Amino acid sequence: QKEVEQNSGPLSVPEGAIASLNCTYSDRGSQSFFWYRQYSGKSPELIMFIYSNGDKEDGRFTAQLNKASQYVSLLIRDSQPSDSATYLCAVRASGTYKYIFGTGTRLKVLA
Amino acid sequence: NAGVTQTPKFQVLKTGQSMTLQCAQDMNHNSMYWYRQDPGMGLRLIYYSASEGTTDKGEVPNGYNVSRLNKREFSLRLESAAPSQTSVYFCASQTSLDEWQYFGPGTRLTVT
Repeated sequence: QKEVEQNSGPLSVPEGAIASLNCTYSDRGSQSFFWYRQYSGKSPELIMFIYSNGDKEDGRFTAQLNKASQYVSLLIRDSQPSDSATYLCAVRASGTYKYIFGTGTRLKVLA
Repeated sequence: NAGVTQTPKFQVLKTGQSMTLQCAQDMNHNSMYWYRQDPGMGLRLIYYSASEGTTDKGEVPNGYNVSRLNKREFSLRLESAAPSQTSVYFCASQTSLDEWQYFGPGTRLTVT
């Protein structure tokens, strides 16, 4: 069974700090990696995707991928209370268009 | 442009009843997905349809059937509902050019 692991949290950070969210995956052949944000009672919303080793930046968000270590992370700079949500890591299973999601990390940004 | 719509928003069923969850997208996407989300379990793929006329099983297909009626619509049917199928169900659609999945608002289903 291919797996995606995340710490459930909550991860609490003060406003303005950097939040670091981590994810590991078991399928060594995976090539596509995603971060979704989900507010309580709402549907998931894709915020970042990354395919290549290294960093990918989009505004206050940076996704980092290390395929050798099978590790994906999301950094949120200048965290705001509006960033308080659950962040889901997802991986496309190799050779398929099936997506495996982690259980999510709950982030709380304290004003 | 409504994106991905799902009906109904809420449903309560008795054990053994059947129902169909409807999903439609107006973004001309080829791929559509059905997920369920349970507390502490994350999102789990039930079925997906890579293109009109094709469907394939995900992680948790038992107890469900799907129909890709046309490019816009992808329905999920519970033939004989069980309490273990109490969950929030999300439909998503995705283009074939990239992997950006757009989710519908969800259906909250309770089976008593």
